[in-house]
Amino acid sequence: RKEVEQDPGPFNVPEGATVAFNCTYSNSASQSFFWYRQDCRKEPKLLMSVYSSGNEDGRFTAQLNRASQYISLLTRDSKLSDSATYLCVVTLSGGSYIPTFGRGTSLIVHP
Amino acid sequence: DAEITQSPRHKITETGRQVTLACHQTWNHNNMFWYRQDLGHGLRLIHYSYGVQDTNKGEVSDGYSVSRSNTEDLPLTLESAASSQTSVYFCASRNSDARGTLGANVLTFGAGSRLTVL
Repeated sequence: RKEVEQDPGPFNVPEGATVAFNCTYSNSASQSFFWYRQDCRKEPKLLMSVYSSGNEDGRFTAQLNRASQYISLLTRDSKLSDSATYLCVVTLSGGSYIPTFGRGTSLIVHP
Repeated sequence: DAEITQSPRHKITETGRQVTLACHQTWNHNNMFWYRQDLGHGLRLIHYSYGVQDTNKGEVSDGYSVSRSNTEDLPLTLESAASSQTSVYFCASRNSDARGTLGANVLTFGAGSRLTVL
């Protein structure tokens, strides 16, 4: 089982839709959680960190469920410019702080 | 502004040649990482460094080496390039001193180096 798993999609949604991505992780000692966005042929860029109490940044809401070991990203009012791949990143504890990436979920927003 | 730069951005080489991909960051970050990205595999860790003179193997380190002689640079060397090493390579850095604070563990990536081995 991979340490970090995501549904690869693609999620194909119309503009204005609400879409949710989930990511599961296998190591319960995981410490930090992030969502990154990657546009085609570009480097990943931080979209938002995920905090234990959940957090919101504009149209994006991130949630963490430690008991079930998953994080989620909710995107409201999808824009064409949201089309990208969304990467879940988990940093394990134990002194090594190695970031581990999921394979990413592809989102296509169409008119 | 601080940045992280990779060079070359595109490289075509032949099987068996030695190739070095450069990564230079001006963030003064202690931690630096090299990943490769391939379809179906996502980002996989090749090597990483926690500071000067420190290097560690990642999950796909065979055929690659790194050295860290200063804070700013972590060059990635392919000793004898193979076609299986055709990929996009990303360098990233992180401020280890930010642990426990907001923004801790956030990776900043370079723009990537696209390597083709013929």
